[in-house]
Amino acid sequence: GENVEQHPSTLSVQEGDSAVIKCTYSDSASNYFPWYKQELGKGPQLIIDIRSNVGEKKDQRIAVTLNKTAKHFSLHITETQPEDSAVYFCAASKSNYQLIWGAGTKLIIKP
Amino acid sequence: SAVISQKPSRDICQRGTSLTIQCQVDSQVTMMFWYRQQPGQSLTLIATANQGSEATYESGFVIDKFPISRPNLTFSTLTVSNMSPEDSSIYLCSVEDRLAGGPSEQFFGPGTRLTVL
Repeated sequence: GENVEQHPSTLSVQEGDSAVIKCTYSDSASNYFPWYKQELGKGPQLIIDIRSNVGEKKDQRIAVTLNKTAKHFSLHITETQPEDSAVYFCAASKSNYQLIWGAGTKLIIKP
Repeated sequence: SAVISQKPSRDICQRGTSLTIQCQVDSQVTMMFWYRQQPGQSLTLIATANQGSEATYESGFVIDKFPISRPNLTFSTLTVSNMSPEDSSIYLCSVEDRLAGGPSEQFFGPGTRLTVL
């Protein structure tokens, strides 16, 4: 079955620097790749997603890139701020609801 | 996007008892889901709650342990039965919602933090 690997498990960056989180997936039929942010004590929040018909999508300081050939996708956060500190999850799916989740990345923004 | 609420937000229960978690959505949605998230871990899908039919359970989860109701398009409940300390987790409700003119996406409630003693 589908498997999603996410790296790194913990990422510490200086405030203002960029952060990159990477995921790889195993099922070449996957066509939907969302990213979620989970703050302490809250449910996951969808922050950006990409579908397999595009290679990149950007929303202000957040961007996601997709390489279908290599079967990997990445989350890029620029000009990081303290409020970006959270756990980030990637997921992959062949349909919008059967999400296969990565293990999560704890992002720490150092002041 | 759909606004999702869950009750209770947290609870501490004794082993052997059962807890029913409620999930309410502010709009009608076709698909609702229940997840479990153990401390420091990723999300695991328990089941898909279908209105008008029985829930569809994922491997490793059974109806006797996690009975689900879906009486209408805005509400669902998950019961954790005969609890043991291993059931201590965050239980999350999610829905598939479609933004106006856009594709469907999945949104989550705030979660129910369950501790079993």
